Amino acid sequence: NAGVTQTPKFRVLKTGQSMTLLCAQDMNHEYMYWYRQDPGMGLRLIHYSVGEGTTAKGEVPDGYNVSRLKKQNFLLGLESAAPSQTSVYFCASSYRLAGATGELFFGEGSRLTVL
Amino acid sequence: TQLLEQSPQFLSIQEGENLTVYCNSSSVFSSLQWYRQEPGEGPVLLVTVVTGGEVKKLKRLTFQFGDARKDSSLHITAAQPGDTGLYLCAFRKTSYDKVIFGPGTSLSVIP
Repeated sequence: NAGVTQTPKFRVLKTGQSMTLLCAQDMNHEYMYWYRQDPGMGLRLIHYSVGEGTTAKGEVPDGYNVSRLKKQNFLLGLESAAPSQTSVYFCASSYRLAGATGELFFGEGSRLTVL
Repeated sequence: TQLLEQSPQFLSIQEGENLTVYCNSSSVFSSLQWYRQEPGEGPVLLVTVVTGGEVKKLKRLTFQFGDARKDSSLHITAAQPGDTGLYLCAFRKTSYDKVIFGPGTSLSVIP
């Protein structure tokens, strides 16, 4: 059981280049999230999705776009990379639970460096 | 602006010592979770608390949710080197809301 898989795991970009990070989950989860992690900042939510075909902004959405065309996949795009987007990106997924909580299952992270 | 505050930011202790870390907010939580993250990996859930005043124990770890559901604490008894990691609290304002994380407490347990 793969869980949550992120690709690529490492990438170096030049300022202005574009790229897409792919997140795939095989647990049939409704919710999917993209976070970035910087030293001393914990995890900050970029965008999230509560179901196929829907997306919403998180805490730090500027400079990123997302798409959820299939339930199992959540793509994070950078149209014009900036050095401030150098970070470790984590994808997570969870069930949609009524009146309760949902454990987030995380991928291993994607380390992006923008020069 | 962080919606969640965690303290201390860093903590380095000797094996066998006890410690407490805190998570605070001005908002009321629907639920609060604690995660631990080891270097190079994604966070892993330790516990979820949903009721004000709730206390949960996980071996040497004790989690408490404040009565007003605005704060939580994690107490570790007789810390071991395997407890080393980044401890993150996370909350939802409502059951269907997005999950927001605090900045984390980085714990180092020295043998």
